[in-house]
Amino acid sequence: QKEVEQDPGPLSVPEGAIVSLNCTYSNSAFQYFMWYRQYSRKGPELLMYTYSSGNKEDGRFTAQVDKSSKYISLFIRDSQPSDSATYLCAMRGSGGYNKLIFGAGTRLAVHP
Amino acid sequence: DAGVTQSPTHLIKTRGQQVTLRCSPKSGHDTVSWYQQALGQGPQFIFQYYEEEERQRGNFPDRFSGHQFPNYSSELNVNALLLGDSALYLCASSPQGLGANVLTFGAGSRLTVL
Repeated sequence: QKEVEQDPGPLSVPEGAIVSLNCTYSNSAFQYFMWYRQYSRKGPELLMYTYSSGNKEDGRFTAQVDKSSKYISLFIRDSQPSDSATYLCAMRGSGGYNKLIFGAGTRLAVHP
Repeated sequence: DAGVTQSPTHLIKTRGQQVTLRCSPKSGHDTVSWYQQALGQGPQFIFQYYEEEERQRGNFPDRFSGHQFPNYSSELNVNALLLGDSALYLCASSPQGLGANVLTFGAGSRLTVL
């Protein structure tokens, strides 16, 4: 079993839809949770970063962490065609080094 | 401000050959990590360099080695290439301390092994 599970999709939605992306994990030591966006032929770029449980909002993006269920989510409101990309969840423990464990990524397509 | 730069962007090698990939970190960053991303998969941690020392390593064989130079730039070397080494190799840099969770990735070097 992988430490981080993420549905690879693809997920296709119309412009303006609310998108929900999710990851589950098995290692209870994970404390830091991130979402990265990766466009084709590009490196991942950090979207959201959350420490421990709770919600964090940044513009159209909301990240949620439920440590009791070992489940994290990213919501995208009013989705745009420019949001079409692969979304990777990533996480790590509280140790001093920042080795990240990534999910496989969910490919999202937002069509006009 | 240039971000993380990697070279070459694409390369093709044959089985058994050796390859060297290069990375220049973002200005102000002193820690460099390397990740391997196979097609359709998330990045997998190879190793991390700080102060010219390898300080953490993922589950990769000794064929994968690296180096960090005094200017914080880094190289990833892979010997005795296998078909399974075909992947996008990503370099990520970060500052020390509280900013360590914020990794800045380069666009990657796409390696094809024939």
